[in-house]
Amino acid sequence: KNQVEQSPQSLIILEGKNCTLQCNYTVSPFSNLRWYKQDTGRGPVSLTIMTFSENTKSNGRYTATLDADTKQSSLHITASQLSDSASYICVVSPPGANFGNEKLTFGTGTRLTIIP
Amino acid sequence: DTAVSQTPKYLVTQMGNDKSIKCEQNLGHDTMYWYKQDSKKFLKIMFSYNNKELIINETVPNRFSPKSPDKAHLNLHINSLELGDSAVYFCASSTIPTGAGELFFGEGSRLTVL
Repeated sequence: KNQVEQSPQSLIILEGKNCTLQCNYTVSPFSNLRWYKQDTGRGPVSLTIMTFSENTKSNGRYTATLDADTKQSSLHITASQLSDSASYICVVSPPGANFGNEKLTFGTGTRLTIIP
Repeated sequence: DTAVSQTPKYLVTQMGNDKSIKCEQNLGHDTMYWYKQDSKKFLKIMFSYNNKELIINETVPNRFSPKSPDKAHLNLHINSLELGDSAVYFCASSTIPTGAGELFFGEGSRLTVL
């Protein structure tokens, strides 16, 4: 079982609507939790990075929340646009940075499709 | 002014061949990585280099050999390609180890082995 589980696997919503993507993780302890956006045929791009002590982080219409007690994070997208269609990947990093020794744990992503 | 660039973007080849994928970053980062993304879109680290020194070498077959001529370049050479090697390979870099530093990915190289 992957240590980072995301739900739903896929989601289709109408343009302009809001949506929330979920990420549950078992990696413990952890240093930070990230959300990446991956457009089809492109590399992942960082949206937010939250340390274990942060509860929320915003980047434009994207707002990530983190509950370290329940080991859950969510990514809320407001007023969705067609360009939001992509895969969204939750990534958890263990502590103890040392010259690239850290191993990020990736979720399998949520495929979001925005329809006009 | 692409930050992390990798070539080629697409690679189609026969089983048993040897191929290379090149990666260059112009961000001045010390740490570079190779990731493999399978058909289920799951990203898995293969190698990590810091200042040309191999740091992480996951359980990757020794047919895969990374080469870092300098800290701005990390190339991936694959010998005796197999069908299961078909995937998208991503190069990435970070300022400091990924626990704290942001990770920048290239656009990916889609390898198809026939």
